[in-house]
Amino acid sequence: EAAVTQSPRSKVAVTGGKVTLSCHQTNNHDYMYWYRQDTGHGLRLIHYSYVADSTEKGDIPDGYKASRPSQENFSLILELASLSQTAVYFCASSGGTVSDYTFGSGTRLLVI
Amino acid sequence: AQSVTQPDARVTVSEGASLQLRCKYSYSATPYLFWYVQYPRQGLQLLLKYYSGDPVVQGVNGFEAEFSKSNSSFHLRKASVHWSDSAVYFCAVSNTGNYKYVFGAGTRLKVIA
Repeated sequence: EAAVTQSPRSKVAVTGGKVTLSCHQTNNHDYMYWYRQDTGHGLRLIHYSYVADSTEKGDIPDGYKASRPSQENFSLILELASLSQTAVYFCASSGGTVSDYTFGSGTRLLVI
Repeated sequence: AQSVTQPDARVTVSEGASLQLRCKYSYSATPYLFWYVQYPRQGLQLLLKYYSGDPVVQGVNGFEAEFSKSNSSFHLRKASVHWSDSAVYFCAVSNTGNYKYVFGAGTRLKVIA
């Protein structure tokens, strides 16, 4: 069954440390996305990619980097984690439109 | 800029009662509209979507939504809720053919016995 798998499911990070969140999809989709969910704000797009070895900024990219080494894998990198980056992070894949999104189960990140 | 407002952060209803979750959007043209549900510790799952045509769209598990251009709304309804409907519901909008969503803040639904 096609799916989007995120790892880790949860993580506690120290302020100023580096954090890498990973995402793997088996949907054969070209597009992959990282969204952030904060209470009271819904999901907001951080970065996305439509082809391997290329990433694009979303609506809230500051403080985040992304990496797409292959069609199947998409990582979100926090070089210097901050308290304000405590949130739930969702990865998703699609064929290029919103009609076929598949979301992962989320990664709950706590920065202390 | 596109925006989505879900005015009710939390809604509590009794099992078997009817449900309406409200969604208002701001967009200059007719957007694509969606409702997603998030069960605990799971990703978002699509309930239903509206692109054009009949303003009432049917979704999974007995949910339906009605698009109103005049009111810029896309309210979600269910005739009789079950305890398993307890979840967070997100309304979302997208530009036609676009690749990304703008989400509302979500409404947490609690169904009580």
